[in-house]
Amino acid sequence: EVQLVESGGGLVKPGGSLRLSCAASGFTFSSYSMNWVRQAPGKGLEWVSSISSSSSYIYYADSVKGRFTISRDNAKNSLYLQMNSLRAEDTAVYYCASRGVGAKRYYFDYWGQGTLVTVSS
Amino acid sequence: EIVLTQSPATLSLSPGERATLSCRASQSVSSYLAWYQQKPGQAPRLLIYDASNRATGIPARFSGSGSGTDFTLTISSLEPEDFAVYYCQQRSNWPPDTFGQGTKLEIK
Repeated sequence: EVQLVESGGGLVKPGGSLRLSCAASGFTFSSYSMNWVRQAPGKGLEWVSSISSSSSYIYYADSVKGRFTISRDNAKNSLYLQMNSLRAEDTAVYYCASRGVGAKRYYFDYWGQGTLVTVSS
Repeated sequence: EIVLTQSPATLSLSPGERATLSCRASQSVSSYLAWYQQKPGQAPRLLIYDASNRATGIPARFSGSGSGTDFTLTISSLEPEDFAVYYCQQRSNWPPDTFGQGTKLEIK
C-alpha cells in the first residue's frame, strides 16, 4: 500500500523558516517524480514545487521561487521542503504528492494527509 | 499560465440525480486534464486523467469528456458519498500545474 506521511508543520512567525518532510513507503520512491501542493484554509489547490526522480529537474511556483527549496533523499525514501522567509500567505495545508506512471505521469496519483503550516505573529 | 475556470461554483442536487461539472481552460490543454475529488479533512483523490480515463478503483458512474478548452465531469447517479468538492487540473503547459477553483457538490 502506498503511503505518504508529511511532518514538520506548525506555527511560525513571518520571516521565519520551517522544513517539511514526507516519508514514502509502499512503492519504489526513487522512480517517481515528487511534488508539494498546498491549500490555504477554505481555498483551492496550488502546486508549489516538483522534483524529478533523480533530482535532475526542479521546478517552483513563482509565488515561492527563491524562498522554498525542494529536495529528496532516495536512500531514505523521503521528500523535503525547506521554507524560508515565510509570509502570512504561505499559511496552508501542505500535501506531498507523487505523480503516476504511464499515462498518469502528468497527474497527482497519491497524496499524503497533509501538514498545516501557519505563519502568524 | 493557463487558467482553469470551473462552473458552477456550487451545485445542489439530490442522491440519484445526474451531476454535470464544467472546467474551461484559457487556452487549449489538448487532453491533459484531470479531475480530483476532495472530501472535508481529506486529501484530494484522482478520479479522471487524460480527460476521460478513470483512475484505479473509481466507480463507473464517474465519467469525463472533452478536449481542447472545454471539459466535463459527469456523475451519472449520485451516491451519498459523492458530495464533495471537485477540482480540475491541467498539465499541458507546464510548469506550472494549475487547478480550477473547485465546484462544491452539495446535497439539496
